Amino acid sequence: AQTVTQSQPEMSVQEAETVTLSCTYDTSESDYYLFWYKQPPSRQMILVIRQEAYKQQNATENRFSVNFQKAAKSFSLKISDSQLGDAAMYFCATSGNTPLVFGKGTRLSVIA
Amino acid sequence: EPEVTQTPSHQVTQMGQEVILRCVPISNHLYFYWYRQILGQKVEFLVSFYNNEISEKSEIFDDQFSVERPDGSNFTLKIRSTKLEDSAMYFCASSDVRASGSNSEQFFGPGTRLTVL
Repeated sequence: AQTVTQSQPEMSVQEAETVTLSCTYDTSESDYYLFWYKQPPSRQMILVIRQEAYKQQNATENRFSVNFQKAAKSFSLKISDSQLGDAAMYFCATSGNTPLVFGKGTRLSVIA
Repeated sequence: EPEVTQTPSHQVTQMGQEVILRCVPISNHLYFYWYRQILGQKVEFLVSFYNNEISEKSEIFDDQFSVERPDGSNFTLKIRSTKLEDSAMYFCASSDVRASGSNSEQFFGPGTRLTVL
């Protein structure tokens, strides 16, 4: 079975600063993917970034990047130059032989 | 840009009543999913559907639940006799390839908030 753990229920960051959200996971799969989803107040789930487990290079998408440590089963999300629109719930997720398994989420507040 | 749509956005029902939640996946997608998010909790997988049959389901997806693709565009989730604990946000998602160990992305709809009184 796969599990995803997000140990930070809430985080806050000053506008324009950088914040890192933590995620650890456990899986017995050799071929899997890791995701960060953003859920703003509208409750829609929006894919932020995706990492293939077989790739050593960390994925980046504009201001969003990950620190993927496969041996440690860690997959943290770094948001640079934080903006007010980044305020949301962030869910870490993995897929292997089953569809997405999500963590409990981290609520990110951005302070102007 | 194509997107997954869901109707209604909010459904209120009495305990014991049947509800049908509707989804229109992205048109060229072949895999369809339902997820549930009870308020304040994580998103949980319910069921996946491919080639007109259930491909995977979770323990949550018991005999009270059923899914159907009644035509070429809609994908529905039916709850036969709703319980108070069925109150949640229900998300539909679709992907063009199987979202397991493959290079795929699941596109989520905006969700249907179900309130059971």
